[in-house]
Amino acid sequence: AQKVTQAQTEISVVEKEDVTLDCVYETRDTTYYLFWYKQPPSGELVFLIRRNSFDEQNEISGRYSWNFQKSTSSFNFTITASQVVDSAVYFCALSEAMDNTDKLIFGTGTRLQVFP
Amino acid sequence: DTAVSQTPKYLVTQMGNDKSIKCEQNLGHDTMYWYKQDSKKFLKIMFSYNNKELIINETVPNRFSPKSPDKAHLNLHINSLELGDSAVYFCASSQGRAAYNEQFFGPGTRLTVL
Repeated sequence: AQKVTQAQTEISVVEKEDVTLDCVYETRDTTYYLFWYKQPPSGELVFLIRRNSFDEQNEISGRYSWNFQKSTSSFNFTITASQVVDSAVYFCALSEAMDNTDKLIFGTGTRLQVFP
Repeated sequence: DTAVSQTPKYLVTQMGNDKSIKCEQNLGHDTMYWYKQDSKKFLKIMFSYNNKELIINETVPNRFSPKSPDKAHLNLHINSLELGDSAVYFCASSQGRAAYNEQFFGPGTRLTVL
């Protein structure tokens, strides 16, 4: 069955610290897609990244980086030199190519608080 | 221009009432979704429509009825509202299957049932 686990419910850091948000997923499909979304206090959901199951290259975008490891079924997200504006709830999500219902399965989210 | 818009943003109503939430996307996408986010921030898919055809209907009470008059609109009608329906409802859209493509979310509608 599909499942996404974000074990960290809440993380608090001080500005400029690096922080890693963990995401572990379960799927029986060989082709699947992983996503990260950000939900700032204003409430909207903002797409951050998509990764397919055949591409295990890590990705870096500015202060954000993602580490995808199929061997451990993990897709972790690191923010380098965190800033107050990074404070948000971050969701990891999974979608399976063989699932004809186009469902995105979300994890329970990790609330990140960055203090000045 | 807002890509995915929802109205209203806030909805406060009494138990037993019927209410609707409207969603429109101007991205030209062919797939639209409704999600429910509860007080613990848990996000769960409710429905999806592709080219006006229902694709996903999760275990949602039949008091919830989506309606898609055209590809750009997916409205959510809720009958006989209950306290447990209080949540934030998000509309989203994507081009093609969500498995491949990112979903664009609306700003959410916070429904409070008193």
